[in-house]
Amino acid sequence: AQSVTQLGSHVSVSEGALVLLRCNYSSSVPPYLFWYVQYPNQGLQLLLKYTTGATLVKGINGFEAEFKKSETSFHLTKPSAHMSDAAEYFCAVRYSSYKLIFGSGTRLLVRP
Amino acid sequence: NAGVTQTPKFQVLKTGQSMTLQCAQDMNHEYMSWYRQDPGMGLRLIHYSVGAGITDQGEVPNGYNVSRSTTEDFPLRLLSAAPSQTSVYFCASSVQGAAHYEQYFGPGTRLTVT
Repeated sequence: AQSVTQLGSHVSVSEGALVLLRCNYSSSVPPYLFWYVQYPNQGLQLLLKYTTGATLVKGINGFEAEFKKSETSFHLTKPSAHMSDAAEYFCAVRYSSYKLIFGSGTRLLVRP
Repeated sequence: NAGVTQTPKFQVLKTGQSMTLQCAQDMNHEYMSWYRQDPGMGLRLIHYSVGAGITDQGEVPNGYNVSRSTTEDFPLRLLSAAPSQTSVYFCASSVQGAAHYEQYFGPGTRLTVT
């Protein structure tokens, strides 16, 4: 069965500090992995995805994630947080060709 | 392009009432889906469609019906609302299946059932 675990429902960082949001998954099929971001009162939008190929994936707004098969992880990072990064972030894994399983989300707070 | 639109933005229902949440997209996407978002639970798939006339169940389909008569529209019907259906509902679309292609989300409908 597929599942996604996001460690930490809230993460707080100072502006300019490293952002690290953790995602671990389990999957019985080759994993396709996604990070989506949700700004307040909006729908989700895709940050980045891993399907095949290079394990380090670069996304929008300076975010990147690395697929580590041995650790079943797909952590999201950004070297320097900006106030505009404050949002909720969701990791998701393929369940079938047509379905994703989403994690419970991590709310990122950025302190001035 | 308007992208994915949803109406209404807010709705309050009494237990037992029925209603339809509307979703439309103008990107000619084959795949459309409905999710509900509850605190601490992420998004859960209710129903999805891979094209006009084709729908299937997701993780939490009970209490909801869908149909897809056109490529553009994918309404979600609550047959007899219950307080457990209080949630934020998102419609999404993609070129094809969600597992390969970016999903585009609507702004959501916040539903309260009293």
